[in-house]
Amino acid sequence: AQSVSQHNHHVILSEAASLELGCNYSYGGTVNLFWYVQYPGQHLQLLLKYFSGDPLVKGIKGFEAEFIKSKFSFNLRKPSVQWSDTAEYFCAVSADFYNAGNNRKLIWGLGTSLAVNP
Amino acid sequence: DVKVTQSSRYLVKRTGEKVFLECVQDMDHENMFWYRQDPGLGLRLIYFSYDVKMKEKGDIPEGYSVSREKKERFSLILESASTNQTSMYLCASIGYIHNSPLHFGNGTRLTVT
Repeated sequence: AQSVSQHNHHVILSEAASLELGCNYSYGGTVNLFWYVQYPGQHLQLLLKYFSGDPLVKGIKGFEAEFIKSKFSFNLRKPSVQWSDTAEYFCAVSADFYNAGNNRKLIWGLGTSLAVNP
Repeated sequence: DVKVTQSSRYLVKRTGEKVFLECVQDMDHENMFWYRQDPGLGLRLIYFSYDVKMKEKGDIPEGYSVSREKKERFSLILESASTNQTSMYLCASIGYIHNSPLHFGNGTRLTVT
């Protein structure tokens, strides 16, 4: 069965520190990869996604993620975090989402709670 | 911009009550989803629908049912609410346009007492 593992459940950083959140998945075929973010009191929103092409994906607010197929990983990075990045971050994987027939389901990681101290 | 609207932000219901959670999207999306979000458990899929009157069980369908009579509306029904259904419920939708993401509503925080 497909699964997604996020290594860090809680991360605390100071402003300007660098961030890397780990995400590994288990699935051998073509995958679509996503990072979603949920700011306090707000709805989940897409941070970035990978479908094909350049494995280094840039998203909103200075975030980026690198798809390493050999490691089944899609780690999220930001060189310098801000207090406003305090949020919960979710990694999600789909098996070729747009060609999956009626099986348009995402498999979600458990989330990483990031707190950035000013 | 896509909008997914959940009818209630907060709900408090009693054990045994029948509860309806409503979700409406305005982008003519074919696919709609209901998740519940609990601390430490991430998002778990309850049901999804890929077309009007079509539904598929997700990972945790027990105690829930759904209704999709119109394309824009996807309802989650708790037939007899129980305290273990206290949770944040999230509705989402997506169309068939390639590379478009899943869009979420703001969530309904349901408390069953």
